[in-house]
Amino acid sequence: AQSVTQPDIHITVSEGASLELRCNYSYGATPYLFWYVQSPGQGLQLLLKYFSGDTLVQGIKGFEAEFKRSQSSFNLRKPSVHWSDAAEYFCAVGLAGSSNTGKLIFGQGTTLQVKP
Amino acid sequence: DTEVTQTPKHLVMGMTNKKSLKCEQHMGHRAMYWYKQKAKKPPELMFVYSYEKLSINESVPSRFSPECPNSSLLNLHLHALQPEDSALYLCASGGRRTDTQYFGPGTRLTVL
Repeated sequence: AQSVTQPDIHITVSEGASLELRCNYSYGATPYLFWYVQSPGQGLQLLLKYFSGDTLVQGIKGFEAEFKRSQSSFNLRKPSVHWSDAAEYFCAVGLAGSSNTGKLIFGQGTTLQVKP
Repeated sequence: DTEVTQTPKHLVMGMTNKKSLKCEQHMGHRAMYWYKQKAKKPPELMFVYSYEKLSINESVPSRFSPECPNSSLLNLHLHALQPEDSALYLCASGGRRTDTQYFGPGTRLTVL
């Protein structure tokens, strides 16, 4: 069965420090992979996505993610965290089916806290 | 433009009320979604419309009734809800090829 695991429920980093959020997936085919960010009480904003090609993907707000097929991972990174990055981060796998709808399987999320 | 709009932003209703949530997108997407999200949890898929037809119903109780009047609009009709239905309701739309979903800001629903 398809699944997404975000091993870290809560991460605290100091402002200006680097960040890595982990994501592991289980999926039989080549996955469509996504990272979304959600501020409190808001909707989900797409940070970046991977479908194929270059395994290092650049996103918005200075984020990047690297797809590693051998490790079934799609970790999110940022070299220098800003206080405004404090939010909930969701990794998701898109299920590519024969229909035109793509179901998303979400991880449980990682809460990022940023210390001044 | 990757904007999905949702109204109202907040909604408080009693268990005997009937209300509707609205969602709109103008990105030409042919798939639209309703999700329910509880605090500190990922979104849970409720319904999927593809080309204005209901294609997925994730065993949602009948007190939730979706409607897709046209390719840009998605409604969620609410009736006889329970307090445990209180949550953030998110709408999303997606393109055909990429399966990328773009989310609206959500409606915060409180059932008294």
